[in-house]
Amino acid sequence: DTEVTQTPKHLVMGMTNKKSLKCEQHMGHRAMYWYKQKAKKPPELMFVYSYEKLSINESVPSRFSPECPNSSLLNLHLHALQPEDSALYLCASSPTPGNEQFFGPGTRLTVL
Amino acid sequence: QQPVQSPQAVILREGEDAVINCSSSKALYSVHWYRQKHGEAPVFLMILLKGGEQKGHEKISASFNEKKQQSSLYLTASQLSYSGTYFCGTEPPLINFGNEKLTFGTGTRLTIIP
Repeated sequence: DTEVTQTPKHLVMGMTNKKSLKCEQHMGHRAMYWYKQKAKKPPELMFVYSYEKLSINESVPSRFSPECPNSSLLNLHLHALQPEDSALYLCASSPTPGNEQFFGPGTRLTVL
Repeated sequence: QQPVQSPQAVILREGEDAVINCSSSKALYSVHWYRQKHGEAPVFLMILLKGGEQKGHEKISASFNEKKQQSSLYLTASQLSYSGTYFCGTEPPLINFGNEKLTFGTGTRLTIIP
C-alpha cells in the first residue's frame, strides 16, 4: 500500500459543530503532517508528528486539535470553527522527518 | 518567511524548456520540489541537499546553490503532463531531530499548450 488516504473527501459544518478529519498510511512512515491550503496558495504547515509525538505546532488556534493514536493514523479534531477556516486540509507522511512527503487527496472543508 | 518563486506563471508550447526559480531569505539545509495539478494533491519531484548537487528526474532536473539560498527547477522538452503549479519547499538547518519543517514557496503556475 503506497498511498495516504483521507476521509471524508468533503465536509460542511456549522460554527458550533464538532467534527474530525482522518488520515491513514500503511507505508511504515514515522512522520505525519497536517497542512491547510487556501485556493491558489501554497500549503501551510499546521502540525508535525514525529514518531507519534507532536513535534511542531505552527501556532495553530486551539479549535484545531491533532491526535496521533498510532504510527499509521492521524486525526484532526475540529471544534467551533470560523468561516475563514474553510480550506483544503492535506495530510502527508514521510519515511522519517525531512524526507520526501507523500500527500493524501485532502478534505475540502466548508464552514458555514 | 516564505520562499519566493519566479516566474509566478508561465505558458509554454509543448517541447519548450522552462526554468523555475526559488529564493529564500534564510539559510537552507534542503530544498524540495513538488507539482500540484488542479484539484489534486501535491506530488513529490525531488529533494536537493546542501552541497550544490544537481539532481535529475526524467526530463526534469534541479540545482541548489546553498550560498545564494536559491534553487532552480529545469524542465526540458516540456510535455502536456507537466502542466500544474510547482512549489519549492525549503528546510532550514536542523536544530533538533524531529523538528524538520518544510515551508512552501509562493508557487509557479505552468501551462503547456499543444
